[in-house]
Amino acid sequence: KQEVTQIPAALSVPEGENLVLNCSFTDSAIYNLQWFRQDPGKGLTSLLLIQSSQREQTSGRLNASLDKSSGRSTLYIAASQPGDSATYLCAVWDDYKLSFGAGTTVTVRA
Amino acid sequence: NAGVTQTPKFQVLKTGQSMTLQCAQDMNHNSMYWYRQDPGMGLRLIYYSASEGTTDKGEVPNGYNVSRLNKREFSLRLESAAPSQTSVYFCASSEALGGIDTQYFGPGTRLTVL
Repeated sequence: KQEVTQIPAALSVPEGENLVLNCSFTDSAIYNLQWFRQDPGKGLTSLLLIQSSQREQTSGRLNASLDKSSGRSTLYIAASQPGDSATYLCAVWDDYKLSFGAGTTVTVRA
Repeated sequence: NAGVTQTPKFQVLKTGQSMTLQCAQDMNHNSMYWYRQDPGMGLRLIYYSASEGTTDKGEVPNGYNVSRLNKREFSLRLESAAPSQTSVYFCASSEALGGIDTQYFGPGTRLTVL
């Protein structure tokens, strides 16, 4: 059974600092890995999708890497802003479903 | 473009009552999903529908039933609600099953069972 872990559970940084969010998974036979953002009381918004054959994806200030062999992914957010405050969820697609981590809640202090 | 819509947004039930959560998508997606989200845990898949006319169990299907009414709509039914079903329920859709493309999520239904 795929297990997805996100550490730390919560993170607080001053504005302008770079954010590094970690995700690990136990079964490397995945089709893709996705990072989502969830604002309080809202649904999930997809940030980046990395196919299993890719090593990284970039979108603006966001960059996500994938190392299937070690079962790890890292989401980097450059020059954080208060608007980046949210919960970030990592999910891996294996077989027929997405398996989610519990998320990292980020607070960016102005 | 509404994307994925869910009704109702909030619901309070008593133990033993039944209800249906509605979900609709306007992106012409083939696959649809129902998840639940509990504090401190990731989202867990309840049921999914790979395409119109098919439904399959996910990780936590006990106590739920689903109907894929047509390509746009996928409903989740609780026949006899229990306090353990207190959760936030999310519907999602994607072009196809298999992880090639992203899933799009609705805003969620917050359900409390007393």
